[in-house]
Amino acid sequence: QVQLVQSGAEVKKPGASVKVSCKASGYTFTSYDINWVRQATGQGLEWMGWMNPNSGNTGYAQKFQGRVTMTRNTSISTAYMELSSLRSEDTAVYYCAREEHRGVAAFFGDWGQGTLVTVSS
Amino acid sequence: SYVLTQPPSVSVAPGKTARITCGGNNIGSKSVHWYQQKPGQAPVLVIYYDSDRPSGIPERFSGSNSGNTATLTISRVEAGDEADYYCQVWDSSSDPVVFGGGTKLTVL
Repeated sequence: QVQLVQSGAEVKKPGASVKVSCKASGYTFTSYDINWVRQATGQGLEWMGWMNPNSGNTGYAQKFQGRVTMTRNTSISTAYMELSSLRSEDTAVYYCAREEHRGVAAFFGDWGQGTLVTVSS
Repeated sequence: SYVLTQPPSVSVAPGKTARITCGGNNIGSKSVHWYQQKPGQAPVLVIYYDSDRPSGIPERFSGSNSGNTATLTISRVEAGDEADYYCQVWDSSSDPVVFGGGTKLTVL
């Protein structure tokens, strides 16, 4: 079965960077885009961007342009999301999700368990 | 960018039918997906492409989409259905993935 296993919780200081990993199993890693979605405590879901593990192509939400980088290591079926210049408002649970679609419209049938990133001085 | 509007909360008695709406400009022309999220857990897909159910999702969950409103319907609501529900669409704008603000379903 499809599994997305994320790295553990992180505590970072303002201005630092964080890199979260998402290890995929149960399917061909390079066949499905990986998206990243975050959720601040008590808030809704916020889409951050996507990455094509085959080509390495990416697309980022306007809000995160210049601060987020999504990469992958195909040899270990792992996707990464790095967020820089952290501020307190970036404190959230970060999820990776496998993108599926028929035609253009994408949805997310499988999600990682989430990684809590806390930004605090 | 495209905006999806959900009511913050919906309450329903056990055994009754819950309807959670998701409003958007001409949303009927888009495909709508729905996720259930329980406290401390990752979201789970419950409806995709307006009305399709993933395997393992009870038939009590159904969806519809027309005009400016998409609706997630949960029949014969159970206590275990209490959760936050999010709608999501794919839009051709610069930020293609759009989520609604979420609706907290309370089972009375």
